[in-house]
Amino acid sequence: QSVLTQPPSVSGAPGQRVAISCTGSSSNIGAGYNVHWYQHLAGTAPKLLIYGNINRPSGVPDRFSASKSGTSASLVITGLQTEDEGDYYCQSYDKGLSGLVVFGGGTKLTVL
Amino acid sequence: EVQLVESGGDSVQPGGSLRLSCAISGFSVSLNYMTWVRQAPGKGLEWVSILYTGGSTFYTDSVKGRFTISRDESKNMLFLQMDNVGAEDTAVYYCVRGGSAYQHFDRWGQGTLVTVSS
Repeated sequence: QSVLTQPPSVSGAPGQRVAISCTGSSSNIGAGYNVHWYQHLAGTAPKLLIYGNINRPSGVPDRFSASKSGTSASLVITGLQTEDEGDYYCQSYDKGLSGLVVFGGGTKLTVL
Repeated sequence: EVQLVESGGDSVQPGGSLRLSCAISGFSVSLNYMTWVRQAPGKGLEWVSILYTGGSTFYTDSVKGRFTISRDESKNMLFLQMDNVGAEDTAVYYCVRGGSAYQHFDRWGQGTLVTVSS
């Protein structure tokens, strides 16, 4: 059971919009720690997608956006493309017993 | 160019030992927080061990007392010594830059596979 809760899967057709939620608690996201998102495509290393809640690293398309509110965060992908299919993870920091870095369980995105 | 290249992954018997290495270029291992993250088959990402710039080390509960993270500044490398491994340690291990409370993991290696099996 991950400290950060993500839906196991989401899906959408090419061109559509999908959202992936990441729910934490008062000891991590709610404590003010930043949320970061990673994209993990099959056969590749995880890649930083969003950092500091809302920021895109250079080279990440603006189809990817994110937000944070209270104890939750959300990643939104618009204009879905087949190459977006893969796993997405949120990550934050926890000051409680969970200890340091915490990841969400991951969400598998299927592009129909 | 920033690069992290892991090596040392192998098949090992339960109770055995393995040392993972991460060769780093483009930045100094001693001036950055560094983390080993793993992904077991069919599972999500899990941080394993973090090494702070000041030398403090941290381990996820399941590996405490068995794994040791270290670095060699002269070689600009990060290591993970894995002792008394068990089936639950089977995973792809990634060397990653980052690990502090307000820092993201911005650079990842390609990963090295550790398989624990008799």
